[in-house]
This record gives sequence, structure tokens and C-alpha cells, in this order.
Amino acid sequence: DTAVSQTPKYLVTQMGNDKSIKCEQNLGHDTMYWYKQDSKKFLKIMFSYNNKELIINETVPNRFSPKSPDKAHLNLHINSLELGDSAVYFCASSQDHGASSGNTIYFGEGSWLTVV
Amino acid sequence: AQSVAQPEDQVNVAEGNPLTVKCTYSVSGNPYLFWYVQYPNRGLQFLLKYITGDNLVKGSYGFEAEFNKSQTSFHLKKPSALVSDSALYFCAVSSLNQGGKLIFGQGTELSVKP
Repeated sequence: DTAVSQTPKYLVTQMGNDKSIKCEQNLGHDTMYWYKQDSKKFLKIMFSYNNKELIINETVPNRFSPKSPDKAHLNLHINSLELGDSAVYFCASSQDHGASSGNTIYFGEGSWLTVV
Repeated sequence: AQSVAQPEDQVNVAEGNPLTVKCTYSVSGNPYLFWYVQYPNRGLQFLLKYITGDNLVKGSYGFEAEFNKSQTSFHLKKPSALVSDSALYFCAVSSLNQGGKLIFGQGTELSVKP
């Protein structure tokens, strides 16, 4: 009964490939997020969706395209992967307007992406 | 612009001793403050948050944090550290009109030795 689940957990792929990371939450939340953790462990938001509508897009390259088929799912598709895309990608979810309303954001276990 | 600073990259504590992980923040308006913990190769786990009210908030695993508005700080504390507390700790902040997102500090590696 994992709250926020994302797959795959580990992904090794070659430069130039296209890959997707899937995320699902069973908490009944309205808002979902993608965060990126770089090699120095720094966490930065990439996107957020509220009820399938894009709310935040933090100057992420166009090669990254989130897709939200319904409010329980937010997938991340990455085109033409580059070495610099190697990172840990975390999916997360929260109620309503997330942390801006004091709601807790719950994170998945992460997807470790390595581009070779 | 919002920001969070965790001035110590690493904190070393002996088991049984009290621990403190420091966090200061900068935000316009009233802050919402959070602490998360990340174990190796795992996701972020929520520990506690301050929204309003009592400045001392208690959270999971015996952790607590004190909100200090004048010092713009939200230090994480535990009276008696366990070896199993060794992990990476993140402080984060949000406020109204920030689109729901959290801004994270750079993280503090806590090492508790037997």
C-alpha cells in the first residue's frame, strides 16, 4: 500500500535515447510534482500539476515533458537524454495547494537515472 | 526570493548525546517550514512541520524542531541520538503564492557513532 510509487527505480540508458518514468499516488491528492536531486544531493522542483493542469514549470528543458492522464498519475518523459540528465528523480504529491497552504508533500522512493 | 540555508554539511554526534541540525530561512510572508530525512538510496520521509501556533513542534522518531521568528531559524533537535538516525536531513520552506512548491536547503549529513 505504497502511497507514492514510481517506476523504474533504476534506469541506465545511452545518450540520445528517450525514456519515461511513471508515478502513481493512492493518497487521493490533487497535486503532484517532479523533483530532481543532483549529484550533490541538491533538490529542485521541476514541475507540478494540480488536477491534471500544469502549475509549475521551473525552466526545465523542453526535452522533459510531464504528462498527467488523471490526478493520480504524473509521468515524466525525457527525450534525447544527455549525460547531464543523470540524477535521481522524485515524484511527490500533496493535497490542494501543497506546501503553500501548509500541506505536507509526500515523496516517492526515487528513480535513479544514469545516462552513459 | 525564498531560500533555506543549512550551514553544516555534516554533523557528528555520539550515540545517546543530543543532536541539533541547523536551518535558517528567508521568505516573504509567513513561512511554512518542514524537515525531511533521506536514508541511503531511499526517498524523502516527512519528519515534521511548522505551520502556525506553538513554536515547538514534535515529529516522527522523537525529533522536534523550534521555530524562531526573530532569528528566522527552524533547528531540528533530538534529546538522545541513535545510530539509526544517521541519514541526510533536509530543511524546506514554502509560503503563500509559491505554487505549492517546497524550497529545500542543501542538506546536512548526520552521522551518529556508537
